[in-house]
Amino acid sequence: SQKIEQNSEALNIQEGKTATLTCNYTNYSPAYLQWYRQDPGRGPVFLLLIRENEKEKRKERLKVTFDTTLKQSLFHITASQPADSATYLCALDNYSQNFVFGPGTRLSVLP
Amino acid sequence: GAVVSQHPSRVICKSGTSVKIECRSLDFQATTMFWYRQFPKQSLMLMATSNEGSKATYEQGVEKDKFLINHASLTLSTLTVTSAHPEDSSFYICSALAAGTDTQYFGPGTRLTVL
Repeated sequence: SQKIEQNSEALNIQEGKTATLTCNYTNYSPAYLQWYRQDPGRGPVFLLLIRENEKEKRKERLKVTFDTTLKQSLFHITASQPADSATYLCALDNYSQNFVFGPGTRLSVLP
Repeated sequence: GAVVSQHPSRVICKSGTSVKIECRSLDFQATTMFWYRQFPKQSLMLMATSNEGSKATYEQGVEKDKFLINHASLTLSTLTVTSAHPEDSSFYICSALAAGTDTQYFGPGTRLTVL
């Protein structure tokens, strides 16, 4: 069955450092992958989408890579700030509108 | 742009009653809407996919007679939890897929507590 794993349930880093979150999947061939941010008690907010034929995508301090051979996506936040503290979810789809979400990684950026 | 609202944001009801949750896309037309539930510290669990004007497609294990979904227009979908029980207490989130895009835009969620 399809399975998505995110590197850890929780990740603590120091302010100013780069946070790196991973998303690994098995038994799935996604056409694209998305990253969302979710704050407690709120719905997820879309951050970035990367397609299977794209290696890297950037948006301000965010960078996403997608390696379909390794079946892995990396999500980087550079110059991290306490305001970046949240849960980050990856989601996969293969154009079937069958979105599958990972369990999320709770990031804490310490001042 | 791409704003999705949900109403109510929080509801407390007695066991056995029905609760309706509305999901609206405010500034775009959503041909497809999704309903999720989320338990504390867990990820989103897709309950059903609804397309405007047709019956919803429910995920395995989700009772369609208990969770009634109506997608009557391109901007509104409703989820009705019928005969609610305490185990139905959860965070319900909807999302909308804008026509021609691959991105879901999520509502702020509805916290349901069944006493």
